[in-house]
Amino acid sequence: QITLKESGPTLVKPTQTLTLTCTFSGFSLRNNGVGVGWIRQPPGKALEWLALVFWNDDKRYSPSLQSRLTIAKDTWKNQVVLTMTNMDPVDTGTYYCAESITMLRGRSLYMDVWGEGTTVTVSS
Amino acid sequence: YEVTQPPSVSVSPGQTATMPCSGDKLGEKYVCWYQQKPGQSPVLVIYQDSKRPSGIPERFSGSNSGNTATLTISGTQAIDEADYYCQAWDSTAVIFGGGTKLTVL
Repeated sequence: QITLKESGPTLVKPTQTLTLTCTFSGFSLRNNGVGVGWIRQPPGKALEWLALVFWNDDKRYSPSLQSRLTIAKDTWKNQVVLTMTNMDPVDTGTYYCAESITMLRGRSLYMDVWGEGTTVTVSS
Repeated sequence: YEVTQPPSVSVSPGQTATMPCSGDKLGEKYVCWYQQKPGQSPVLVIYQDSKRPSGIPERFSGSNSGNTATLTISGTQAIDEADYYCQAWDSTAVIFGGGTKLTVL
């Protein structure tokens, strides 16, 4: 059974750096085609993709947030960490991590299992 | 790259719901779909345009051609009322649509 769980602060102040950890089980980031992604959702709004890290340590970032994001994996601990700098109230929302599967020579990518999400509020 | 979804779709119980997702030459990319109910995490319902993960009912189906991918729910049930998001991948970025709220009247 695949599970993922997000952890981190529930409240951060504007301009601070947010660090979130995704701890997973049931799959390995050593396996070809496997990755972990971060996605967020402001209250009442749509999903927004943030970042991905793949089994081969390749990384992808949302173009609009790239300058503020860093993603890193710890394969042995089964964890993926996302940092987001210079937090702002508009960054308030639920942050999800999910297992990603890449297939068909990298042409197909989907998130097959999601964590329950963690709520982050940015306020002074 | 962007994909567009209508904000809302309504359907009567037992009828067929169709939800489009549009983007330039979207048919050349693989699309997947997620269902999200209030207060819950998204659930994958279709991947690689038309494949159903284990445990997803057969009434969910998908297609993708030209500029439009479509999620279809046949014999829609009240439990299918949710937000549905399409997602594409262009090898550099994950692209989510804005979501469609499906109301089962």
